[in-house]
Amino acid sequence: QVQLVESGGGVVQPGRSLRLSCAASGFTFSAYGMHWVRQAPGKGLEWVAVIWNDGNIKYYADSVKGRFTISRDNFKNTLYLQMKSLRAEDTAVYYCARADNYGDYELGYWGQGTLVTVSS
Amino acid sequence: DIQMTQSPSSLSASVGDRVTITCRASQSISSYLNWYQQKPGKAPKFLIYAASSLQSGVPSRFSGSGSGTDFTLTISSLQPEDFATYYCQQSSSIPLTFGGGTKVEIK
Repeated sequence: QVQLVESGGGVVQPGRSLRLSCAASGFTFSAYGMHWVRQAPGKGLEWVAVIWNDGNIKYYADSVKGRFTISRDNFKNTLYLQMKSLRAEDTAVYYCARADNYGDYELGYWGQGTLVTVSS
Repeated sequence: DIQMTQSPSSLSASVGDRVTITCRASQSISSYLNWYQQKPGKAPKFLIYAASSLQSGVPSRFSGSGSGTDFTLTISSLQPEDFATYYCQQSSSIPLTFGGGTKVEIK
């Protein structure tokens, strides 16, 4: 079965960097687009970024553009999110999600999330 | 960016009730509308895609309808396990955007 396991979250000071990972299993990783979605404490869902299956196309939310970089390693079946210049407003649970069989923008499977807290 | 507006933001209902949640897009998104269910402390679960198609394994008491800018999620007979927060999401264009959520609570 599809399994997505995020890691790398924690407490980080404003302005610092952090890299999240998402280990995928149970499907052909290289065949699917992958997303990051975040949820601030007590708030709704916010889409962060998408990367095409081959890694050649990436899109970002304006709120993270220029600070966050999505990438993937199709040999390691792992998705990454490199976060730089972190701000208090980046505090959230970060979920990785796999595109559904129906389409690249439908989020068919989600990991359990990893909490990032930006605080001094 | 396409704005997604859900209503109501919360509702109270009893087991067996029929529940309807509305989602409106700021511009036409054809049928590129998806619904997710999220329970406290858990990841969202994909329920409905293309406005009205049920994801595999989703109970038939869930249904979706609409096209263009106005969409609805209906639960025909609310069950105890349905108490959760529901989000709509447009998949018409980047950036992907979600509605603010509708929390379905026990009356």
